[in-house]
Amino acid sequence: GAGVSQSPRYKVAKRGQDVALRCDPISGHVSLFWYQQALGQGPEFLTYFQNEAQLDKSGLPSDRFFAERPEGSVSTLKIQRTQQEDSAVYLCASSATGTSGFEQFFGPGTRLTVL
Amino acid sequence: QKEVEQNSGPLSVPEGAIASLNCTYSDRGSQSFFWYRQYSGKSPELIMFIYSNGDKEDGRFTAQLNKASQYVSLLIRDSQPSDSATYLCARGGSSASKIIFGSGTRLSIRP
Repeated sequence: GAGVSQSPRYKVAKRGQDVALRCDPISGHVSLFWYQQALGQGPEFLTYFQNEAQLDKSGLPSDRFFAERPEGSVSTLKIQRTQQEDSAVYLCASSATGTSGFEQFFGPGTRLTVL
Repeated sequence: QKEVEQNSGPLSVPEGAIASLNCTYSDRGSQSFFWYRQYSGKSPELIMFIYSNGDKEDGRFTAQLNKASQYVSLLIRDSQPSDSATYLCARGGSSASKIIFGSGTRLSIRP
């Protein structure tokens, strides 16, 4: 498959647990984005990587959220001490260039439910 | 005021008619604009992007941009039941990285 993949597709966590969400971008794509989508809303930007550099993390809602892309390909979004308000679909997208003017290809998302 | 505003709908259009979806944005510095389609339970897929004032056509889809009025629209001609989905309007952020999405308009094509 040549698309963006994400794992797990579904995650249920108890409040206070830590979770890690994985994104495999399209091979060779420079840019990688994380978005959070609540039910009935559009995706909300979380953070952006260009290769291994995290260039924008202005959308991360709190210091409980942390993202990394150490080798410039696979990325992990980690949420510590999960809260009920963290329940959402977490979408990863990648694009071939470092600007917002080019198509972002989205993965299937990880649906996180915090009980 | 949200950065990208859309009517949530639902917008109901008969099969074969033209569906018109509208969007306004607040940041006059926005340079690029996108329309994504999202089926229920699926991820967004890009159907159109536009950078310049005027119209851009691709098959049954036409995107229209008016920067002076800060207005973007999407027209879908010969609407099909398979067009029933949520349509997300988005703009390129000033940081040349992130995309800012609206909340989406639900479109329903009735046979």
